[in-house]
Amino acid sequence: DGGITQSPKYLFRKEGQNVTLSCEQNLNHDAMYWYRQDPGQGLRLIYYSQIVNDFQKGDIAEGYSVSREKKESFPLTVTSAQKNPTAFYLCASRTDFNYGYTFGSGTRLTVV
Amino acid sequence: AQSVTQLGSHVSVSEGALVLLRCNYSSSVPPYLFWYVQYPNQGLQLLLKYTTGATLVKGINGFEAEFKKSETSFHLTKPSAHMSDAAEYFCAVSDPPSSGGGADGLTFGKGTHLIIQP
Repeated sequence: DGGITQSPKYLFRKEGQNVTLSCEQNLNHDAMYWYRQDPGQGLRLIYYSQIVNDFQKGDIAEGYSVSREKKESFPLTVTSAQKNPTAFYLCASRTDFNYGYTFGSGTRLTVV
Repeated sequence: AQSVTQLGSHVSVSEGALVLLRCNYSSSVPPYLFWYVQYPNQGLQLLLKYTTGATLVKGINGFEAEFKKSETSFHLTKPSAHMSDAAEYFCAVSDPPSSGGGADGLTFGKGTHLIIQP
């Protein structure tokens, strides 16, 4: 079955470390997105990509970086510059066919 | 710029009662509108969406929503609540591609936590 796979499901990071969250899709979708979710805040857009080798900053890009070397993959790196990285991170992709978004099951990042 | 307001961060209803979750949006063009449900530590599942056509949209699990342009609303309803409906619900908006928008994804409300009382 087609879908989006996010890994790992839980991730612990020490202060000052960079960590990379994986997002892989086999839906053949062009557009991919990273959202951050905090309690009571809804989902906020970090980065998005419409095509391979191209991506744009979202509303809260500071302290994050991404790459899009393959259509299937859109990894997110949380850098040490991100002041408050503890959150739930969701990856999504979109098809233009019926404007359908598919979400992954998320990665919960905790700074220890 | 778009925005979404969900009235009530927590809504509590009795099992079997009507569910009404409110969503109002702000957009410069007629938008695409979405309702998603999220269970703890999981991703988002689409309940229903409005793009064009009929303004009353039926979704999964007995939910429906009506797009009211004059009221800039897209409230979610279900006639009879079930215990399994307890979850977080998000309303989201996007500019349609026909208006040159939508590439930057969805704008979400802050969510409504639905509690079902036995």
